[in-house]
Amino acid sequence: SQQGEEDPQALSIQEGENATMNCSYKTSINNLQWYRQNSGRGLVHLILIRSNEREKHSGRLRVTLDTSKKSSSLLITASRAADTASYFCATTGANSKLTFGKGITLSVRP
Amino acid sequence: EAQVTQNPRYLITVTGKKLTVTCSQNMNHEYMSWYRQDPGLGLRQIYYSMNVEVTDKGDVPEGYKVSRKEKRNFPLILESPSPNQTSLYFCASGTGTAPNQPQHFGDGTRLSIL
Repeated sequence: SQQGEEDPQALSIQEGENATMNCSYKTSINNLQWYRQNSGRGLVHLILIRSNEREKHSGRLRVTLDTSKKSSSLLITASRAADTASYFCATTGANSKLTFGKGITLSVRP
Repeated sequence: EAQVTQNPRYLITVTGKKLTVTCSQNMNHEYMSWYRQDPGLGLRQIYYSMNVEVTDKGDVPEGYKVSRKEKRNFPLILESPSPNQTSLYFCASGTGTAPNQPQHFGDGTRLSIL
């Protein structure tokens, strides 16, 4: 079953701008993860945020989690052409299964 | 280098001809999993394994088999492939015995069943 749903489905921005991607989910979670997938490659883990955390940073990435709204956002600051990829949120719930959303396609124009 | 290795990377085959996609990880991870990725559907879990000799069904297990005889290997078996199994397949591994930790993915196997 699909748990996380990302929004928007596609995003196109200029290099240097910030990119914000959102993920909503339906049931309670243990944690939420964000992954990146470059074209033709496997997924790469970006960041994990636990259900008792509200915000987490890693380099140019900032993730927030609002469990009351069952939503998370991924902010990429000062985007680069190399950030062009698909981004997925994935949730782990009580059944300990990791469930992925359908992904967001981010295009960063040079 | 820590990695998950899948073979083959590409395969075109015909309906009914048994095939195996191998997956090997060199990180001593307990948890391993197979996903398929289809346009518009995202990644869906096929099977997962919490440890050696322990496997369980994911969300779309029909038509697939797996085995976990050794910690490092987790092959995906299609006994009688059909065209609806044409997809991009990913193997992943993770620390711990539950997928509450980051997972490492292979580069994928693109299967075409004619």
